[in-house]
Amino acid sequence: EAQVTQNPRYLITVTGKKLTVTCSQNMNHEYMSWYRQDPGLGLRQIYYSMNVEATDKGDVPEGYKVSRKEKRNFPLILESPSPNQTSLYFCASSFVSHTEAFFGQGTRLTVV
Amino acid sequence: QQPVQSPQAVILREGEDAVINCSSSKALYSVHWYRQKHGEAPVFLMILLKGGEQKGHEKISASFNEKKQQSSLYLTASQLSYSGTYFCGTFDMRFGAGTRLTVKP
Repeated sequence: EAQVTQNPRYLITVTGKKLTVTCSQNMNHEYMSWYRQDPGLGLRQIYYSMNVEATDKGDVPEGYKVSRKEKRNFPLILESPSPNQTSLYFCASSFVSHTEAFFGQGTRLTVV
Repeated sequence: QQPVQSPQAVILREGEDAVINCSSSKALYSVHWYRQKHGEAPVFLMILLKGGEQKGHEKISASFNEKKQQSSLYLTASQLSYSGTYFCGTFDMRFGAGTRLTVKP
């Protein structure tokens, strides 16, 4: 089954404790991206990757890192999480940027 | 830069129609539309690749005016299952703030 898998689905952590949210797709997609979703603000792009070893900042990259060492994986790293990063996060992939995007199930992160 | 959607929210009765608009201050090139049910991930509805293109998906259709950098999503004879938040997305995968659609019996 074609899918984008995020882990974990829910995470509560403390300020400053490094964490990684994983994202994996099995569709051989070139393009992957991360979003955060906050009430009234929609889906805001954090980082995107057009291919392996090619990543770039989206609209809200501060406080986040990503890597794309393999085509299928695109982890999101928060090296020192803060409460303002409490949000719902989605990973998405598509064949290229302007084709149908498939979203992961989402990760609800709470930073206390 | 995120595209701008309007309205922010709309409430309908079953069978009524609605229009959701999406506009951008820069060239759109293509427009995607997605629907997100509460607590779920966004799901692809359709993509419009060319100016003047119109597409349909069940009783949901969309148009794309590339020159005006606008797209509209039309929901006809709405059903309860149409409830959710609708997002438009640009060619570089930026999304609007969403339009929350509620369909009541």
